[in-house]
Amino acid sequence: EVQLVQSGAEVKKPGESLRISCKGSGYSFTSYWISWVRQMPGKGLEWMGRIDPSDSYTNYSPSFQGHVTISADKSISTAYLQWSSLKASDTAMYYCARRRIAVAGTEVDAFDIWGQGTMVTVSS
Amino acid sequence: EIVLTQSPGTLSLSPGERATLSCRASQSVSSSYLAWYQQKPGQAPRLLIYGASSRATGIPDRFSGSGSGTDFTLTISRLEPEDFAVYYCQQYGSSSWTFGQGTKVEIK
Repeated sequence: EVQLVQSGAEVKKPGESLRISCKGSGYSFTSYWISWVRQMPGKGLEWMGRIDPSDSYTNYSPSFQGHVTISADKSISTAYLQWSSLKASDTAMYYCARRRIAVAGTEVDAFDIWGQGTMVTVSS
Repeated sequence: EIVLTQSPGTLSLSPGERATLSCRASQSVSSSYLAWYQQKPGQAPRLLIYGASSRATGIPDRFSGSGSGTDFTLTISRLEPEDFAVYYCQQYGSSSWTFGQGTKVEIK
């Protein structure tokens, strides 16, 4: 079964650092980009950035550039999202998602597999 | 950055009725790069439609997508109880992705 499994919920204090993970299984991890998506409480989906696990090349939404770091360890099929100094406004659900770029030879672009989400709560 | 605007914000309908959801882009979007997702409370989003009109694996045929350029539509032909959820459109362009703000389909 193709799946992305994320690490568990986190409760942190402002100023603390954090790294959450997303482990892929059931497919070739290096063949698909992974994106991270934020969902603040009661709000919509926001794309944060992505990584190509084959070479660890990343690009970020301007809204998140400099605030988070995306990385990957292809040897263990895992992508990461990390913060060096959390803020209360980082409280949200974070999803990883796999990008699909072709279906039956037709070019497409969609996030076909999603992790279950990691809830991050930042509170003093 | 391409902005996607979904309407209406909330759609109140009864089971068995037809739902029509709109997604309008601030500039032209390639149909290949337009997708729709369903999200139920407490769950991750699920891919419904890719390439503007192709159903993802396992998606019932009551869901259909259409449109091109700046105007796209998701139609649910006859609402089932499990279809009441929030729906998002998404586009890819210039090495980034954007989502619409979502349309909530609620039971009337």
